[in-house]
Amino acid sequence: NAGVTQTPKFQVLKTGQSMTLQCAQDMNHEYMSWYRQDPGMGLRLIHYSVGAGITDQGEVPNGYNVSRSTTEDFPLRLLSAAPSQTSVYFCASSAGTIYGYTFGSGTRLTVV
Amino acid sequence: GNSVTQMEGPVTLSEEAFLTINCTYTATGYPSLFWYVQYPGEGLQLLLKATKADDKGSNKGFEATYRKETTSFHLEKGSVQVSDSAVYFCALSGNTGNQFYFGTGTSLTVIP
Repeated sequence: NAGVTQTPKFQVLKTGQSMTLQCAQDMNHEYMSWYRQDPGMGLRLIHYSVGAGITDQGEVPNGYNVSRSTTEDFPLRLLSAAPSQTSVYFCASSAGTIYGYTFGSGTRLTVV
Repeated sequence: GNSVTQMEGPVTLSEEAFLTINCTYTATGYPSLFWYVQYPGEGLQLLLKATKADDKGSNKGFEATYRKETTSFHLEKGSVQVSDSAVYFCALSGNTGNQFYFGTGTSLTVIP
């Protein structure tokens, strides 16, 4: 019972590089989201999806792209990394609003 | 709109002390309410939830009651342990759409 799996756990990028953070869930949840967590700022929603083929922007979408080709996978792409994107990124999934989220263990990203 | 406000931290308590972390919310309609816990270096875990007014969520000795009249969902525990040291997040989900809203988190340290 894996839940939500995020890879990699740690990553260092140089400014301007691109990369994809992977997220997969095995619970058949329709709803998936990406958050970033920064000290003193709590969790901020980047992008979310309510099902395969459907995505939308959250609070801080600039510099990030997402796609949802399957129910299981929801990758987050950084197009051209900037030091301001240094953060811990969490993927989460849910079966619906009354059930709450299941979170992955996070990806700690440093952009130098 | 929907939002969550929780008490500022950090909170430091001695082992076996009583814990209260305040959480109030603003929401349209009838939200579901949640408390999440984040241990160092880990993702968020659902601690407890309540889906309608006057419901009490409980888990691992923690409790919170959904108070519609005061729009509150305060987290309590009668006797904290060192192992309860973590960051606690209050959250709500609206009954329209699929969005979750998080507070900024309250850091708790329990000293022996």
